[in-house]
Amino acid sequence: AQKITQTQPGMFVQEKEAVTLDCTYDTSDQSYGLFWYKQPSSGEMIFLIYQGSYDEQNATEGRYSLNFQKARKSANLVISASQLGDSAMYFCAMRARGSTLGRLYFGRGTQLTVWP
Amino acid sequence: SQTIHQWPATLVQPVGSPLSLECTVEGTSNPNLYWYRQAAGRGLQLLFYSVGIGQISSEVPQNLSASRPQDRQFILSSKKLLLSDSGFYLCAWSGEFAEQFFGPGTRLTVL
Repeated sequence: AQKITQTQPGMFVQEKEAVTLDCTYDTSDQSYGLFWYKQPSSGEMIFLIYQGSYDEQNATEGRYSLNFQKARKSANLVISASQLGDSAMYFCAMRARGSTLGRLYFGRGTQLTVWP
Repeated sequence: SQTIHQWPATLVQPVGSPLSLECTVEGTSNPNLYWYRQAAGRGLQLLFYSVGIGQISSEVPQNLSASRPQDRQFILSSKKLLLSDSGFYLCAWSGEFAEQFFGPGTRLTVL
């Protein structure tokens, strides 16, 4: 079974500072993908970043980077130079090769608040 | 580019009334499609997924159903709504790496 754990229900960071959102996963598959999504108060889920289990380098997308530690089964999201618009709920998700046709397993999310 | 539409954006329905939520995708063909529900302050629960026209798989037994009458159209339905059906309903399609792209969602309140 696949499982995603996000242990931080809420995080606070000051504008322009960096913040790390934690995510650990559990799977017996060797091939899998890890994803992060942002959900602002409007509700729409916005895809941020993807990391494949065989990727040797950590994924980066602009101010977002994924700190992938395979042995520890962690895939933390790092947001650099936080902005007020980064305030949102953030979800970590995983796809495993054996999962149903690309099904994603989501964590419970972390509410990030950026203050000026 | 691909876009995904959902309507209506918000809906208030009485208990026992029927439901029909529609999702359409543009700019891609034969996508995998998904329906999720998100209760207030909670994560996402996968309800249905579809790999093609007329092919629907259910993840959770409930009073909801889904249909895919056309390649890029996915419909979520119910004959009789329950209070517990209230929530935020999201439709999604999957891309190259199985990342999923979500629609804007429908906020359903059952009274």
